[in-house]
Amino acid sequence: QKEVEQDPGPLSVPEGAIVSLNCTYSNSAFQYFMWYRQYSRKGPELLMYTYSSGNKEDGRFTAQVDKSSKYISLFIRDSQPSDSATYLCAMSPQAGTALIFGKGTTLSVSS
Amino acid sequence: DAGVTQSPTHLIKTRGQHVTLRCSPISGHKSVSWYQQVLGQGPQFIFQYYEKEERGRGNFPDRFSARQFPNYSSELNVNALLLGDSALYLCASSPGPGNTIYFGEGSWLTVV
Repeated sequence: QKEVEQDPGPLSVPEGAIVSLNCTYSNSAFQYFMWYRQYSRKGPELLMYTYSSGNKEDGRFTAQVDKSSKYISLFIRDSQPSDSATYLCAMSPQAGTALIFGKGTTLSVSS
Repeated sequence: DAGVTQSPTHLIKTRGQHVTLRCSPISGHKSVSWYQQVLGQGPQFIFQYYEKEERGRGNFPDRFSARQFPNYSSELNVNALLLGDSALYLCASSPGPGNTIYFGEGSWLTVV
C-alpha cells in the first residue's frame, strides 16, 4: 500500500461546478497537509496548507482534513476553465520535512 | 521578487553521462530541497539542505548527490545516467526547515 493514494482521474466538469478532490494516506504520523496545483510542464504551486484536522477556506478553495479517517479533501467552488490543471496532495509528519505526494488528479473544466 | 529559479530548463543527455542542475532559492530563503517528478507521478523527495548541510535524503542511489553554496544556491548532480532518470527535477526553497516550501519551474531531463 502506497503511503498516499490519489485517484489520477481524469476528472471533467462543466464551468461553475463544485469539484471534490481527495487523498487517503496510511501514515498516522502525518500532521501537515498541502494541496498544490500544477499546470502542464510547470512547477507545482502551493494552494492550501493545513495543520492537523479541520477545515481551511481561501476564496473558492476549501481544504478539509479528517485524521481519524486518514482522508483529506480539496473543494473548488464555481470552477473555472483556468482551474484546469493537475492537483497534487502532499503531506509530512513535521513542518518543512520531506513531502510525500500523491500521484495527482488531472482536472479539466469546460466552458 | 523572483521566485525559485532553475537552470537549465531543458536538456538531453546520453546514458552513462553526468548532469548538473542548478537552483537559486527565493531571496532570504536558506533551505533548498530537490524532488524528482516522473511523468504521471507526484514529485519524489531527493535531498534537503539547510545552511549548507544535508538535512534529509530520500530513497535514491548514490549516483545522486547535491550541495548547497554559501549564497544558498544549490546543485544536484547525477552520475552514470540511466533512461529511468528522465524526469522533471524540481527545486524548492523555504526560509528554514520548518516552513512551507515553494517550487521552481523545474529542469526537464531526457536521457536517451
